[in-house]
Amino acid sequence: DIQLTQSPSSLSASIGDSVTISCRASQAISNSLAWYQQRPGRAPKLLLYVATKLQTGVPSRFSGSGSGTDFTLTISSLQPEDFATYYCQQYYNTLITFGQGTRLELK
Amino acid sequence: QVQLVQSGAEVRKPGSSVKVSCKASGGNYNTYTITWVRQAPGQGLEWMGRIVPSLDIVNYDPNFEGRVTITADKSTSTVYMDLSSLRSEDTAVYYCAGDLNWFEPWGQGTLVTVSS
Repeated sequence: DIQLTQSPSSLSASIGDSVTISCRASQAISNSLAWYQQRPGRAPKLLLYVATKLQTGVPSRFSGSGSGTDFTLTISSLQPEDFATYYCQQYYNTLITFGQGTRLELK
Repeated sequence: QVQLVQSGAEVRKPGSSVKVSCKASGGNYNTYTITWVRQAPGQGLEWMGRIVPSLDIVNYDPNFEGRVTITADKSTSTVYMDLSSLRSEDTAVYYCAGDLNWFEPWGQGTLVTVSS
């Protein structure tokens, strides 16, 4: 299995801040990575795919970077609706895996 | 734009099985792969398997192989996930999602509770 390790597991930030979430793969996965946002009681929502491509309708304050084993999700100018849990997901091989999640809380 | 609507919450006893449905509406269902992901209370996301309805090709996570069966009824644009030999650890919200390797759209989720 390809393991994905997200850091930090949780972080606190204020409205207007910029934050970065890291996702590290246990082996190289090219750019086969997606990011999701999940609010409590809701289904996950796709934010980015192919590591850097923004899903239609997702605000441009969300951006992704990386390839190989190290990836980042950056959220600039945090808005109230951004406080949620974020997951990375790899699809490099047929056995799909997710990171453990990063909880973004309002400071 | 495909929308996925799942069946309602279920309660099952340990050792029994449950079948959750996921009906697609809008868009061209037959071009979609459908994946199943579950989330135990307070936990992260866990991929279970996927089906390509047009080809009847299925892949399962080895952690579930032998207990999970994913099928599709092309006549009703519905995909089913059947999980057997249920145990308390299978209590979770089960999601279906459109699968292009990344997952979108998602169904609303189905809570399955396993309790004696």
